[in-house]
Amino acid sequence: SQTIHQWPATLVQPVGSPLSLECTVEGTSNPNLYWYRQAAGRGLQLLFYSVGIGQISSEVPQNLSASRPQDRQFILSSKKLLLSDSGFYLCAWSVTGTGMWTEAFFGQGTRLTVV
Amino acid sequence: GDSVTQMEGPVTLSEEAFLTINCTYTATGYPSLFWYVQYPGEGLQLLLKATKADDKGSNKGFEATYRKETTSFHLEKGSVQVSDSAVYFCALKDTGTASKLTFGTGTRLQVTL
Repeated sequence: SQTIHQWPATLVQPVGSPLSLECTVEGTSNPNLYWYRQAAGRGLQLLFYSVGIGQISSEVPQNLSASRPQDRQFILSSKKLLLSDSGFYLCAWSVTGTGMWTEAFFGQGTRLTVV
Repeated sequence: GDSVTQMEGPVTLSEEAFLTINCTYTATGYPSLFWYVQYPGEGLQLLLKATKADDKGSNKGFEATYRKETTSFHLEKGSVQVSDSAVYFCALKDTGTASKLTFGTGTRLQVTL
């Protein structure tokens, strides 16, 4: 069966520090991968998605970047965190191919607090 | 572009009350529609879905019907339990290779005894 791992679960970082959140998927190949952010009092905002290794699409210009160094690994990064980067970050995956899509599967999330 | 509008929360109900959470959408073409649930401190789980007009998705006593004429996908449950307390997200999936989900802002449900 497929599983998605996301870590760390919680993170407190000072303003200006770097960030690296990692997400890996097991039990499937060539998935679509997504990073979402849920800010306090707001809904889910798609930040990045990837349809293959090295292919990253950004939905919202911001202080963050994403990379996909391996087929089932998706990394969210920042060189210098801002207070506004605080939120709940969710990684998700789905199968590739419009005809095969059933749902997106989400990780447990990382709660990031920038202080 | 695609968008999803959900009713504002929080919604507070007594146990065994009837629940409705409104959701309307804007999309080109024929999107698939979803309800996801987020329990405290956890990620999102798919609750139910509908892929075409007039389809009814159902799971764990929750139901939602895909109404193309009103562009709606309202979530209902006849008798809520304390364990249903969570945040509920309505979402739609566009067509295309990446098959991205567009979410509403979420509605927090609090069920009390």
